[in-house]
Amino acid sequence: EPEVTQTPSHQVTQMGQEVILRCVPISNHLYFYWYRQILGQKVEFLVSFYNNEISEKSEIFDDQFSVERPDGSNFTLKIRSTKLEDSAMYFCASKASGAGTGELFFGEGSRLTVL
Amino acid sequence: AQSVTQLGSHVSVSEGALVLLRCNYSSSVPPYLFWYVQYPNQGLQLLLKYTSAATLVKGINGFEAEFKKSETSFHLTKPSAHMSDAAEYFCAVSWDAGNMLTFGGGTRLMVKP
Repeated sequence: EPEVTQTPSHQVTQMGQEVILRCVPISNHLYFYWYRQILGQKVEFLVSFYNNEISEKSEIFDDQFSVERPDGSNFTLKIRSTKLEDSAMYFCASKASGAGTGELFFGEGSRLTVL
Repeated sequence: AQSVTQLGSHVSVSEGALVLLRCNYSSSVPPYLFWYVQYPNQGLQLLLKYTSAATLVKGINGFEAEFKKSETSFHLTKPSAHMSDAAEYFCAVSWDAGNMLTFGGGTRLMVKP
């Protein structure tokens, strides 16, 4: 069964360092998303991406964050200068079509710990 | 701001008992509604979704949910709990056909033998 894969599963970094989280969406999907879940809190929407550009982003997704689909298979989330409060589980998701309510397929998450 | 509330962060039931996980949303406009399950060390998996067709929605693993507009609710039920149902369950809503999901806080279901 096709699945969304994320790497790394866990990353520990120092405050101020750049982090790149990688996702390989399901191959025929067109819509891509990042969500995050701070420990003990709700899963929150960060950004959606379609046709090589951001289609929506939340207020969490500030200038420190960027997304890219560099090679047609990977979908990356970059945090330019990490802060302690960026520590969270980051989930990538993809969807085949924007029409109707197609299912979002989520990856297993990348846990980011900022020290 | 529109929100989703899951009543009860932890629910414990005995094996074979009814499972009821509650979800309420705040909006006068009926959204699209979803339930996701997260097993330990795994991603979020869609259990079921409501998309303005039948108000009673059947999902995987014997779960179902009923959309009640008058109560702005979308509670998840299963007649008989199984040990393998132990997981975290998330209610989510979308007001833009599923592109941006707003999640509830999650309910951890524990099943006692």
